[in-house]
Amino acid sequence: DSGVTQTPKHLITATGQRVTLRCSPRSGDLSVYWYQQSLDQGLQFLIQYYNGEERAKGNILERFSAQQFPDLHSELNLSSLELGDSALYFCASSLRQDDQPQHFGDGTRLSIL
Amino acid sequence: SQQGEEDPQALSIQEGENATMNCSYKTSINNLQWYRQNSGRGLVHLILIRSNEREKHSGRLRVTLDTSKKSSSLLITASRAADTASYFCATEVGGGADGLTFGKGTHLIIQP
Repeated sequence: DSGVTQTPKHLITATGQRVTLRCSPRSGDLSVYWYQQSLDQGLQFLIQYYNGEERAKGNILERFSAQQFPDLHSELNLSSLELGDSALYFCASSLRQDDQPQHFGDGTRLSIL
Repeated sequence: SQQGEEDPQALSIQEGENATMNCSYKTSINNLQWYRQNSGRGLVHLILIRSNEREKHSGRLRVTLDTSKKSSSLLITASRAADTASYFCATEVGGGADGLTFGKGTHLIIQP
C-alpha cells in the first residue's frame, strides 16, 4: 500500500462530459503529480503541485485542469471528453518538490463511450 | 515525449535466473528511477540513482548508471514468479521541472 488514495477506481462516461478525479497524497507529502497512461502514449506527466502551488506542467491539454487544496489533496478535472481521453490516470506524491521517489496510487480507469 | 527507452521490450526467463533490463535516455538528468507495475495497478518505486552515483543495490536489485553513455541497467537476481511485471525507467531533469519522463517499459515474465 503506497498510502496514496485515488477515487473513483473506475469511471465510465460519454463524450463531451466532464469528470473530476480525486487524489489524497501520502501523509506528510507536499508534492502531488498527475500522470496519464495509455496504450499508444505510454506514461505521460501532466502536472505537478507543491504545497498548493502549481510547480510544473507537462503534456496537459487545455481541457484538463487541476488544483491542490490546503489539506494537500488534489483534483484533476477533465472536460469536453473525447474518446482519446480513455486512459488510466495516476496520482503520485513525494515528500519534496524534486529528487525524490514518487509514490503512486492505483489509478482511476476512465472509459469514454 | 519518451526520454527513456527500455530494452528489451519483453523478457521471459525461468525462475531462479537473473533478469537484466536496460534503459537509454537522451538528455542530462538529475536522477534516474526504476518502477515496477503489476498489470493494471499503480507503479511501485524500486530504486532512485542520482547522476553522481554509478551503482546502487536494494535486496535482489542492482542498478547501474553510466551518464557518459546515457544508459542504466536494472538487474534482478534469483528471479521469482512474483517478479512478473512491467518495469519502467524514468528520468528527472534538474529541478524536476518536467516531472518524470518514462520509457515504454520492459514486460518481464518469470516462468515457474
